[in-house]
Amino acid sequence: AQSVTQPDIHITVSEGASLELRCNYSYGATPYLFWYVQSPGQGLQLLLKYFSGDTLVQGIKGFEAEFKRSQSSFNLRKPSVHWSDAAEYFCAVGARTNAGKSTFGDGTTLTVKP
Amino acid sequence: DVKVTQSSRYLVKRTGEKVFLECVQDMDHENMFWYRQDPGLGLRLIYFSYDVKMKEKGDIPEGYSVSREKKERFSLILESASTNQTSMYLCASSQQGRVGDEQFFGPGTRLTVL
Repeated sequence: AQSVTQPDIHITVSEGASLELRCNYSYGATPYLFWYVQSPGQGLQLLLKYFSGDTLVQGIKGFEAEFKRSQSSFNLRKPSVHWSDAAEYFCAVGARTNAGKSTFGDGTTLTVKP
Repeated sequence: DVKVTQSSRYLVKRTGEKVFLECVQDMDHENMFWYRQDPGLGLRLIYFSYDVKMKEKGDIPEGYSVSREKKERFSLILESASTNQTSMYLCASSQQGRVGDEQFFGPGTRLTVL
């Protein structure tokens, strides 16, 4: 069975600082990997996804993530955080043979200090 | 733009009531999902459907049922609401058969059961 671990429940960074959110997955083959963001009171929005090819993936809002098969990781990064990035971030893994189902991590809440 | 709408943003019900949560998507997606979201527990899949009248249990189906009579509409039913079903409920949809396709989420329904 697939699973996702987001080790950090809550992260605080200063505006303008760099950001890295960690995600580790468990899956027997090459998975589909996703990062979603949820602003307060909203549904989830896709930031980026990986399913094949280049292991460094660019997303919306200046985010990127790198798939590292050897470490079973898919960490999300942003070089300079803006106050509007404060939100909850979810990593998800989808199996290639699972009818579109994804398994989500527990989420990381990002607070941005002025 | 894909749009997933949910019938209510906030709902307050009494213990024992039958509760219907409605979800509609406008992009002709085959797959539809119901999740509940609780602090520290991430998103947990309740039920999903990959076609009209087809459904499969997710990770936490107990106390819930679903209905999909039309492709665009997926309903979650709480047969007899209980206080432990107080939660945020998220509906999502995705297209079947496309490599690496993500899920599109509605804004959520915050249900309180008194």
